[in-house]
Amino acid sequence: RKEVEQDPGPFNVPEGATVAFNCTYSNSASQSFFWYRQDCRKEPKLLMSVYSSGNEDGRFTAQLNRASQYISLLIRDSKLSDSATYLCVVNKVNDMRFGAGTRLTVKP
Amino acid sequence: GAGVSQSPRYKVAKRGQDVALRCDPISGHVSLFWYQQALGQGPEFLTYFQNEAQLDKSGLPSDRFFAERPEGSVSTLKIQRTQQEDSAVYLCASSLGTSGYEQYFGPGTRLTVT
Repeated sequence: RKEVEQDPGPFNVPEGATVAFNCTYSNSASQSFFWYRQDCRKEPKLLMSVYSSGNEDGRFTAQLNRASQYISLLIRDSKLSDSATYLCVVNKVNDMRFGAGTRLTVKP
Repeated sequence: GAGVSQSPRYKVAKRGQDVALRCDPISGHVSLFWYQQALGQGPEFLTYFQNEAQLDKSGLPSDRFFAERPEGSVSTLKIQRTQQEDSAVYLCASSLGTSGYEQYFGPGTRLTVT
């Protein structure tokens, strides 16, 4: 079983839709959590950190449930430019573990 | 300022050849990571350096893989006697601190072993 699991998708949604991605992790000692975005044939870039209390950055909301070892990302009012692969990342000390990514396509 | 750079961007190697992949992290970044990313997969951790010390090499798939960062800045990932299964994108990332900091990725080196 992989340490970080994500639904690979693809998620195909119309512009303006709300879409949610989930991620589960197996190591309860994990300390930090992130969502990265990766465009096709590009390197991953940090989208947002995920805090225990939940956090929001514009149209993006991230939630963490330590008891269930579960992270989520909600995108509201999706734009064409949100089309990408979203990677869930879990950090334990100096060890970053990536999920396989969830592919999102936003269509006009 | 400059981001993380990697060279070469593309490398084609014949099976059995040795290759060396270079990473120039952001100046002043303490931590440096190497990842292997296969098509359709997320990056898989290979190894981690804190300055010049290689603190974790648990992700290196075999003893054909070797990484170094002798002066705590530039790093080289070497793959000896390449195999077809080594074909992947090799990503380097650096971060300012030692834990929980944002990682900045380079553009990667796409290795194809024929």
